[in-house]
Amino acid sequence: QQQVKQSPQSLIVQKGGISIINCAYENTAFDYFPWYQQFPGKGPALLIAIRPDVSEKKEGRFTISFNKSAKQFSLHIMDSQPGDSATYFCAARSNTNNNDMRFGAGTRLTVKP
Amino acid sequence: NAGVMQNPRHLVRRRGQEARLRCSPMKGHSHVYWYRQLPEEGLKFMVYLQKENIIDESGMPKERFSAEFPKEGPSILRIQQVVRGDSAAYFCASSPWDGTEAFFGQGTRLTVV
Repeated sequence: QQQVKQSPQSLIVQKGGISIINCAYENTAFDYFPWYQQFPGKGPALLIAIRPDVSEKKEGRFTISFNKSAKQFSLHIMDSQPGDSATYFCAARSNTNNNDMRFGAGTRLTVKP
Repeated sequence: NAGVMQNPRHLVRRRGQEARLRCSPMKGHSHVYWYRQLPEEGLKFMVYLQKENIIDESGMPKERFSAEFPKEGPSILRIQQVVRGDSAAYFCASSPWDGTEAFFGQGTRLTVV
């Protein structure tokens, strides 16, 4: 059962473009939404995270937009670079069930030079 | 402060043998998650543990798989009588008591021959 639905599965963007990855959830008990970046052969690394009391969080070229009423959140990568090519996972943590964390299926981003 | 340590990094087992994967969480982290990742696929939740407790094992196959997180020592994911379909990368993540900022290990790549 996929509690966090992520799209698209793969994404190709030209260098300098904007990469947008979307996630949706159903469980209203989720209260913390991180994004992870994974390079081949490595473990996922925490990139940026947001809580539902804000609608947007920006760190450098990475921005999370959060829509609580729609139960959706997205990652925007501005000025995408070839070095951003990786797999990105959204996740959501429940404030019940002892802080269980669930992940989306991942988006494979390729940024072309 | 060392990160999440997983060992071994690579494990080769013959069909029918047992595989034992270890995960030492970050210092001060009391929550451990295990995930399985098949090539070109996302992270599949397996089990969520706190010290001496299994909180959620809904992602674990009913047979051959077990996990523990003892009071002392690393968390162990055990796969008995391995089959070729068990070949995958197994990642563990740890987080502090409030479930935020889960950090991943580098993974154990299991190959069943």
